[in-house]
Amino acid sequence: GESVGLHLPTLSVQEGDNSIINCAYSNSASDYFIWYKQESGKGPQFIIDIRSNMDKRQGQRVTVLLNKTVKHLSLQIAATQPGDSAVYFCAEGGTSYGKLTFGQGTILTVHP
Amino acid sequence: ETGVTQTPRHLVMGMTNKKSLKCEQHLGHNAMYWYKQSAKKPLELMFVYSLEERVENNSVPSRFSPECPNSSHLFLHLHTLQPEDSALYLCASSPMAGASQETQYFGPGTRLLVL
Repeated sequence: GESVGLHLPTLSVQEGDNSIINCAYSNSASDYFIWYKQESGKGPQFIIDIRSNMDKRQGQRVTVLLNKTVKHLSLQIAATQPGDSAVYFCAEGGTSYGKLTFGQGTILTVHP
Repeated sequence: ETGVTQTPRHLVMGMTNKKSLKCEQHLGHNAMYWYKQSAKKPLELMFVYSLEERVENNSVPSRFSPECPNSSHLFLHLHTLQPEDSALYLCASSPMAGASQETQYFGPGTRLLVL
């Protein structure tokens, strides 16, 4: 999960396994959540989003789950591939003019 | 690619230099953003522009000066920076900053090193 500190959380999986990346968000009034993927040398890339009136949303190989009761967000990646190796960020928004608040990120490493 | 380009991709400057970062979006969006990404810290929002007007200045030092001449272009003018300003500077755009639920699309960033 996300944490504040000097070290990013890390997740190491084997190719073909499913991955679950967690995020604890801070503002109970947030009503929009996004997952981004950032590969080395690139900017964050949009993966999937979810609004607070939903608790689950599926994309291609990815699923986002939202638990508003405990302010928890997760990203599930099915059949993880080496190309999925990156830093994954959650972001929360909806409470302020165009403002997204980002988590610190989780490093996902996929071993062939 | 996301439709947001940034130049230069890498920049090294001295503390007395003046330089500018450029961002261009080809998505027809009306809102643009500058973020700072330092090692092992969350993305920090610096500025938000909506329809070429600055709508947010997130307590950024005056040595960073943004400019948005039109809805497709955004600049970040830099002068008398400090070594701690070394970071990846990311530009993003979204359809309209006034909407509370909008995805922001990021450029590749400019890696800045201040000596």
